[in-house]
Amino acid sequence: NAGVTQTPKFRVLKTGQSMTLLCAQDMNHEYMYWYRQDPGMGLRLIHYSVGEGTTAKGEVPDGYNVSRLKKQNFLLGLESAAPSQTSVYFCASSSTGNSNQPQHFGDGTRLSIL
Amino acid sequence: GQQVMQIPQYQHVQEGEDFTTYCNSSTTLSNIQWYKQRPGGHPVFLIQLVKSGEVKKQKRLTFQFGEAKKNSSLHITATQTTDVGTYFCAGPAAGNMLTFGGGTRLMVKP
Repeated sequence: NAGVTQTPKFRVLKTGQSMTLLCAQDMNHEYMYWYRQDPGMGLRLIHYSVGEGTTAKGEVPDGYNVSRLKKQNFLLGLESAAPSQTSVYFCASSSTGNSNQPQHFGDGTRLSIL
Repeated sequence: GQQVMQIPQYQHVQEGEDFTTYCNSSTTLSNIQWYKQRPGGHPVFLIQLVKSGEVKKQKRLTFQFGEAKKNSSLHITATQTTDVGTYFCAGPAAGNMLTFGGGTRLMVKP
């Protein structure tokens, strides 16, 4: 009963380094999302996907890229990490894209950029 | 774009006291969702409200959706230490996405 799994759970990067965060869901959900959470800022949508092979920009997409080559996986990439990208990143999924569907979240990735 | 505002940002209560968090929107919402995030954890879906004036209860938690569907509240009766966490409301945004409020962090003193 895994639900949404994120890897890694923690990571420290130096400015300019690149990395990829992986999200996997086993609920056969169509929609997947990447959020970042900063103190006092709630959850802000970075990118999302409405199905395999599709991606779209959210509220704060700059500095990030995503890919959804397989329905169950949604990858978030940082090409050149910046200290402003220090945050907790959450992946979520929902069965459809209707805003009346609950979103299921992973445990998060705590990312620090030095 | 569509925003939902939550107040208060923080709330300290003594165990056994009641707690309320409020969610407000400048526009009518078709529905509103509530999530709870324990410290160090991830948001977990609690409930969804759809109808004007709707009231739903989950044990000591009471959720209300305003008559105009522009505001919502979550009330916890007789808080316990297990209620500690941040409570988020979320409403519809452009493209059928969800927009989350800033959250209310609840701290309970035993």
